[in-house]
Amino acid sequence: DTEVTQTPKHLVMGMTNKKSLKCEQHMGHRAMYWYKQKAKKPPELMFVYSYEKLSINESVPSRFSPECPNSSLLNLHLHALQPEDSALYLCASSQLQGYNEQFFGPGTRLTVL
Amino acid sequence: GIQVEQSPPDLILQEGANSTLRCNFSDSVNNLQWFHQNPWGQLINLFYIPSGTKQNGRLSATTVATERYSLLYISSSQTTDSGVYFCAVRTSGSRLTFGEGTQLTVNP
Repeated sequence: DTEVTQTPKHLVMGMTNKKSLKCEQHMGHRAMYWYKQKAKKPPELMFVYSYEKLSINESVPSRFSPECPNSSLLNLHLHALQPEDSALYLCASSQLQGYNEQFFGPGTRLTVL
Repeated sequence: GIQVEQSPPDLILQEGANSTLRCNFSDSVNNLQWFHQNPWGQLINLFYIPSGTKQNGRLSATTVATERYSLLYISSSQTTDSGVYFCAVRTSGSRLTFGEGTQLTVNP
């Protein structure tokens, strides 16, 4: 099974809301990633978790807060977002950080009003 | 950092035609992946091919690591092949660097 799942598929939120994106994989992978993708652009790396510890933060604003409760789950908590944060948010996993093939989830399409 | 260039940026084909997509990269890589992003945004893994040649049905890929390029071949294209094709590479670090993609449209 090479599946990464993400919920919700779509999310609309106001600038004062707090919401969370969820990602799950059951492949036994120990590295998980959050990417942000704007229209007609490639995905951009936001965060990397390795063995449930934050390994890389690509200077992402603090209104995005990642969390890795266990080796299968990855959350992205959203608070006080701006309209320019509207994008497709993709989760990915790989067996180890820095090696191996990355597998992506279907994404959450976020709209900030 | 490493530069990844994909060509062509846009490609329009009639159903049944063949095509070749190219990915050039500026440094040695230890990983290279080809993805197809469908119109709903899902990134589908096509090939994990840091070197050599692989085939999967109508698709095949070749990476010549010493010359820093990879090619994706699509034969007998179908309308469901439409979407964006991304090449992504990784050097010694953990970051997967994506090219800008090739937008493929297959018309019936």
